[in-house]
Amino acid sequence: GAGVSQSPSNKVTEKGKDVELRCDPISGHTALYWYRQRLGQGLEFLIYFQGNSAPDKSGLPSDRFSAERTGESVSTLTIQRTQQEDSAVYLCASSFTGTGEGYTFGSGTRLTVV
Amino acid sequence: QQQVKQSPQSLIVQKGGISIINCAYENTAFDYFPWYQQFPGKGPALLIAIRPDVSEKKEGRFTISFNKSAKQFSLHIMDSQPGDSATYFCAAFSGSARQLTFGSGTQLTVLP
Repeated sequence: GAGVSQSPSNKVTEKGKDVELRCDPISGHTALYWYRQRLGQGLEFLIYFQGNSAPDKSGLPSDRFSAERTGESVSTLTIQRTQQEDSAVYLCASSFTGTGEGYTFGSGTRLTVV
Repeated sequence: QQQVKQSPQSLIVQKGGISIINCAYENTAFDYFPWYQQFPGKGPALLIAIRPDVSEKKEGRFTISFNKSAKQFSLHIMDSQPGDSATYFCAAFSGSARQLTFGSGTQLTVLP
């Protein structure tokens, strides 16, 4: 597609449930990033994929968070046993290279844990 | 640890005025400094960016000023328009970390 696509756009879940968020990057973009944006705050790095290299998971806040990416395609971010503090917008970005340039963000998934 | 500090948190300017947003960083390994614009319900979009070998970059009404020795950079929006009302984020990238580190954001309101 022309841009980074994220689904669902909104997700309301009950505390303790698992959720899966999906990101479709721009075709040909080797780098893919997940960020979390809490209300009124900046973007918090979660995880980075570059091609077939091992992902950089240094930003994942707890072991309830995990992400996968197959090759240079779709990525899923999974949050297990969701907590209210997980409520945020989860943003995905992709870029052609991992140089910082050309980051294109999706519109995000707004997750609300009730 | 916050590595990029952004101020002010919010800014209100009159139409036609100059909007100035400031950022400071700590990590001297940063080598790319973009600014992003975010409208409600949308992801951030790249506005303008600079590398540390340049002190200023201008694109239309938007200018980045960069002070390497002070480890500071700023965004100037000239002739601000109501359509510029959005949240602005500065960011910094290092090749070693291979990720963008974002400031906390500035909510800009331009009054008509």
